[in-house]
Amino acid sequence: GENVEQHPSTLSVQEGDSAVIKCTYSDSASNYFPWYKQELGKRPQLIIDIRSNVGEKKDQRIAVTLNKTAKHFSLHITETQPEDSAVYFCAANPIAGNMLTFGGGTRLMVKP
Amino acid sequence: ETGVTQTPRHLVMGMTNKKSLKCEQHLGHNAMYWYKQSAKKPLELMFVYSLEERVENNSVPSRFSPECPNSSHLFLHLHTLQPEDSALYLCASSQDWGTIEAFFGQGTRLTVV
Repeated sequence: GENVEQHPSTLSVQEGDSAVIKCTYSDSASNYFPWYKQELGKRPQLIIDIRSNVGEKKDQRIAVTLNKTAKHFSLHITETQPEDSAVYFCAANPIAGNMLTFGGGTRLMVKP
Repeated sequence: ETGVTQTPRHLVMGMTNKKSLKCEQHLGHNAMYWYKQSAKKPLELMFVYSLEERVENNSVPSRFSPECPNSSHLFLHLHTLQPEDSALYLCASSQDWGTIEAFFGQGTRLTVV
């Protein structure tokens, strides 16, 4: 089955700096890669996603890049703000089964 | 709010108790999921229901028993749990089983004593 690894597990940045979270996956057939943000005590919420026919996708301060050859994808947050502090989860969807496999999560702390 | 609600939000139970977690969605979705979120572990998919039929059971111990009486409601019945079952249990739904985006409930924080 699919295996998703996420790094780093914790990330601390200064407000205004950029943050990058990386994930690798094992199943080359995976074709959908969402990112979820979970604030403390709240539910995970989808913030951005990318499909395998696209190499990069951007939404304001958030971008995701995908390298299918290397089987890794990354979340980029620019001009970080304290409200970006949360746990971020990457996930991958293998074609067989149509269900998401999640990475272990990254706790991002943005210091004011 | 996303329309997926879970009750209770917090639950403390003894190892001999029987309790149930409830999930309700008002999004008109056809697929519902139970996930377990433990500290320092990835989200683990437990069960998937599509159109009220179970389509996935990820080798979950029988002390967890799901029930889906209709497409809007999902239950997780718990009995004779172990302390290591303490975790956040998240319910999610999606338009269909083949649809990827999942909408999560806020979870039930379960503590087994």
